[in-house]
Amino acid sequence: GIQVEQSPPDLILQEGANSTLRCNFSDSVNNLQWFHQNPWGQLINLFYIPSGTKQNGRLSATTVATERYSLLYISSSQTTDSGVYFCAVERRTNAGKSTFGDGTTLTVKP
Amino acid sequence: DAGITQSPRHKVTETGTPVTLRCHQTENHRYMYWYRQDPGHGLRLIHYSYGVKDTDKGEVSDGYSVSRSKTEDFLLTLESATSSQTSVYFCAISESQGGSYEQYFGPGTRLTVT
Repeated sequence: GIQVEQSPPDLILQEGANSTLRCNFSDSVNNLQWFHQNPWGQLINLFYIPSGTKQNGRLSATTVATERYSLLYISSSQTTDSGVYFCAVERRTNAGKSTFGDGTTLTVKP
Repeated sequence: DAGITQSPRHKVTETGTPVTLRCHQTENHRYMYWYRQDPGHGLRLIHYSYGVKDTDKGEVSDGYSVSRSKTEDFLLTLESATSSQTSVYFCAISESQGGSYEQYFGPGTRLTVT
């Protein structure tokens, strides 16, 4: 099956700092999503981004499908950004079924 | 809010007992999924459904069965619960739009098997 690797596994920031999270995948994908799991366990959709760049407030994401990676940028981090960030990919040959990475745990300190 | 509810939200059960978890959606989406999440890991697909009575296995389907008799409900059954099935279970829905399947997740069910 497809391999999804996220880095770094853990990240600790001071409030106001910027960060970049990375997702590498081992095969061509039809779909890529970024999620934030908050400390209460809720999974929140951040971006649906199979290719290109999108921005939503302080967050932006870029997927370079030909090079098999995606980046999530968080600027001016806030304590509410803490949690686990997951990327999930859907392989071209396995439409409708997603594979998740193990996540990046982000802790933002006040 | 993607209109997904899961019940129960928390359950403690004993090894060997049957357990059924329910996922209900109000979006009329065709695709529904069951995942499990274990500490330090991402979500792993158990089973999914691409329509009423149409289901298929995911990567960790052993010990689980599913049923979908109505568009809005997707049931996950553990026929004989084991301690290794202690986990948080998430339901998700999606709808194919131009070949893509953006997923939305329910709030999760925390299951403890003692």
